[in-house]
Amino acid sequence: GQNIDQPTEMTATEGAIVQINCTYQTSGFNGLFWYQQHAGEAPTFLSYNVLDGLEEKGRFSSFLSRSKGYSYLLLKELQMKDSASYLCAVRNDYKLSFGAGTTVTVRA
Amino acid sequence: GAVVSQHPSRVICKSGTSVKIECRSLDFQATTMFWYRQFPKQSLMLMATSNEGSKATYEQGVEKDKFLINHASLTLSTLTVTSAHPEDSSFYICSAIVAGENTDTQYFGPGTRLTVL
Repeated sequence: GQNIDQPTEMTATEGAIVQINCTYQTSGFNGLFWYQQHAGEAPTFLSYNVLDGLEEKGRFSSFLSRSKGYSYLLLKELQMKDSASYLCAVRNDYKLSFGAGTTVTVRA
Repeated sequence: GAVVSQHPSRVICKSGTSVKIECRSLDFQATTMFWYRQFPKQSLMLMATSNEGSKATYEQGVEKDKFLINHASLTLSTLTVTSAHPEDSSFYICSAIVAGENTDTQYFGPGTRLTVL
């Protein structure tokens, strides 16, 4: 089975940093994705990790530890437009299993 | 690049009717497309995997006779919800993998909100 956990909600101030954790227990692992989803819209791809370590992409970074079944998404210099749901997804073979998503609210 | 479109974006229908949703890869070929369903405040649940030129593979608990999937070309997959009922009201999202891309990143369409009265 697949078990992917992430916090339900987080709130942060504009300009701050927020770290969204994701832990997973899955029957297989071929990589971990982070997606951003604004309300009523489809998810957009943010990052992909398949090896341990940190991947940095502008204001967003993602970290993976396969031995711990753990990943985080780091959002720096938060902007109001970053208010959205962030989905952690584990790929097993070609299928993605999603966590329930973390709703991030950025306050002025 | 890697743009996926869906049509329609919203549809309201009466109970018992059928609804067809199209998913197109606009600037790439997609040998594999996926159909997801998302209920309010819940995550995406994979319904089926659609492969060009072959039958779709459905996830456990998804009725293949109710959710008909056709993947007739490398850029088009369709999902038909047959005899829709109010409990089928949901956000339906497709995704596609860019053929030949080694990360197999799924790119999502904008979704179709289905409301069954």
